[in-house]
Amino acid sequence: DTAVSQTPKYLVTQMGNDKSIKCEQNLGHDTMYWYKQDSKKFLKIMFSYNNKELIINETVPNRFSPKSPDKAHLNLHINSLELGDSAVYFCASSQVGREGHNEQFFGPGTRLTVL
Amino acid sequence: AQSVTQLDSHVSVSEGTPVLLRCNYSSSYSPSLFWYVQHPNKGLQLLLKYTSAATLVKGINGFEAEFKKSETSFHLTKPSAHMSDAAEYFCVVSRSGAGSYQLTFGKGTKLSVIP
Repeated sequence: DTAVSQTPKYLVTQMGNDKSIKCEQNLGHDTMYWYKQDSKKFLKIMFSYNNKELIINETVPNRFSPKSPDKAHLNLHINSLELGDSAVYFCASSQVGREGHNEQFFGPGTRLTVL
Repeated sequence: AQSVTQLDSHVSVSEGTPVLLRCNYSSSYSPSLFWYVQHPNKGLQLLLKYTSAATLVKGINGFEAEFKKSETSFHLTKPSAHMSDAAEYFCVVSRSGAGSYQLTFGKGTKLSVIP
């Protein structure tokens, strides 16, 4: 009955590889997000999708490409991984437009380590 | 533009004593404000939210926060700390956009509880 789930939980890989992180939400929300949390715990929005359409695309390298096959899924694909990509990546979802219900629900995170 | 400043990076309290985590915000419009908690190696959990209803907001686990527009503050309090409260706390301001909510996170306050 997990609301927002991510796989994998841990990802260790070599520089230069391509990897994907998957996210699924069963809350019926129409908007999903990807955040990056750095080693100092600072969280920053990367992308936002509403009904499979890209809404927010912050300044991230174009090696990062989100893909939303349907509104319950938002996957993150990363090409040519670099050491600086090591971080914890969080997926989140929310329902836009409902008065008083604008909080985001977060997944458990994926800890990516690039060697 | 919106921003959040958490005034303390680390707060240490004794078990059973009050907790105060300070947060100031800046926003060009009526903000929605949140406090999230992150326990070690876990995801983010919503503690409470302010969305222009009552200025004193009660959350889970005995936490509450008061929205003070004149002081642009949204401090988090709890009357009596418990060991299980030890975690990282994030103050967050939200802005509505077309099809999504953009969250801006503070840098976090680490709460330590001394037995």
